Amino acid sequence: DAGITQSPRHKVTETGTPVTLRCHQTENHRYMYWYRQDPGHGLRLIHYSYGVKDTDKGEVSDGYSVSRSKTEDFLLTLESATSSQTSVYFCAIKQGTGTAGANVLTFGAGSRLTVL
Amino acid sequence: AQSVTQLGSHVSVSEGALVLLRCNYSSSVPPYLFWYVQYPNQGLQLLLKYTSAATLVKGINGFEAEFKKSETSFHLTKPSAHMSDAAEYFCAVSVGSYNTDKLIFGTGTRLQVFP
Repeated sequence: DAGITQSPRHKVTETGTPVTLRCHQTENHRYMYWYRQDPGHGLRLIHYSYGVKDTDKGEVSDGYSVSRSKTEDFLLTLESATSSQTSVYFCAIKQGTGTAGANVLTFGAGSRLTVL
Repeated sequence: AQSVTQLGSHVSVSEGALVLLRCNYSSSVPPYLFWYVQYPNQGLQLLLKYTSAATLVKGINGFEAEFKKSETSFHLTKPSAHMSDAAEYFCAVSVGSYNTDKLIFGTGTRLQVFP
């Protein structure tokens, strides 16, 4: 078990409010990812991190920001939530130290966000 | 750009029948390919992965996938479906290199198994 905890697991908020989702890992993995899952779109990468203070954008980064001030925590922030950001958000960590691309992602249980 | 396409958003089979879920990839370099499964209200779990060691890859729960370069395919199969196989299945390709390594997922195929 990779020890990934996402919080909150469920959140309902209103348009225009800020929201922060937290991903916490207990095994000191370097790589962490945030995806969103929507029907018909599968999982789409929002942002990822390859170390403390090292982050980069994914496919659908507009409207989202991330921070990683310590190895174990990767925060996803919606500065001003919109209804289009209603989704299920998954955090993932990459296990293994082998060849880039050959390592496996382990996912958290997800955070369901509803923006009214 | 590297990507994967899953053909068929829904597949229905009878219990005991062959399961075939299709995935085609687009990549200019030898890809690393993955199949993940998501059971209702859960996160994703790895079924199997292809990393060029062998073209036929065996995974958990009796699933396997064959990498076919000539067809740019990585289809997932299981000889005999079980009710517990009902889930959503995602094909994924690894893109990038060292610091930019990430997975790009297909849109998913929902498998229904009827008794």
